[in-house]
Amino acid sequence: DVKVTQSSRYLVKRTGEKVFLECVQDMDHENMFWYRQDPGLGLRLIYFSYDVKMKEKGDIPEGYSVSREKKERFSLILESASTNQTSMYLCASSRGGTGGNEAFFGQGTRLTVV
Amino acid sequence: GQQLNQSPQSMFIQEGEDVSMNCTSSSIFNTWLWYKQEPGEGPVLLIALYKAGELTSNGRLTAQFGITRKDSFLNISASIPSDVGIYFCAGHMTTDSWGKLQFGAGTQVVVTP
Repeated sequence: DVKVTQSSRYLVKRTGEKVFLECVQDMDHENMFWYRQDPGLGLRLIYFSYDVKMKEKGDIPEGYSVSREKKERFSLILESASTNQTSMYLCASSRGGTGGNEAFFGQGTRLTVV
Repeated sequence: GQQLNQSPQSMFIQEGEDVSMNCTSSSIFNTWLWYKQEPGEGPVLLIALYKAGELTSNGRLTAQFGITRKDSFLNISASIPSDVGIYFCAGHMTTDSWGKLQFGAGTQVVVTP
């Protein structure tokens, strides 16, 4: 079974803090994604990566950055957390290309910025 | 990014009833996926579809890849209380080379005994 693991289930951070959300997958997938999920807005893509050190902006990259130094690990960074970044954050991975586009999700991190 | 049109938004059904939901798009897809999300958890992949007209089952769940390649359907037969959750469709557009998925807004299913 594919396993995508996010480092925290719940986080509470203060406004202005730098926040790191970590995600690890164990299936040697090429693609990794970060989404945020808000009621009424569905899943929105923040950033994705198709290879080590490669990244592309998604639909809502403002206020976020990412890092992929190893194939299995994809980090989301909130440079200076703000209250409007309170949300559920979901990491996903997929094999990509001819290997398939099925995405497998982590359990989610519920971030509250106070 | 484009969101798929998923309907209905919510369904309140009695245990034992069948459930149907669908997703449509103006674009052509080469993959359709259906996920279930329970409160506080990440989405879990239920069914993956790869070819137009394909019909695939997973237990009481059946999904179809529309022949126009612009829609997909999910049916749940004989619902039980543990079917409660939000069901999402997702698709991969033929024009996308990155492996990005488009998502529907979800169908919330509530099952009453």
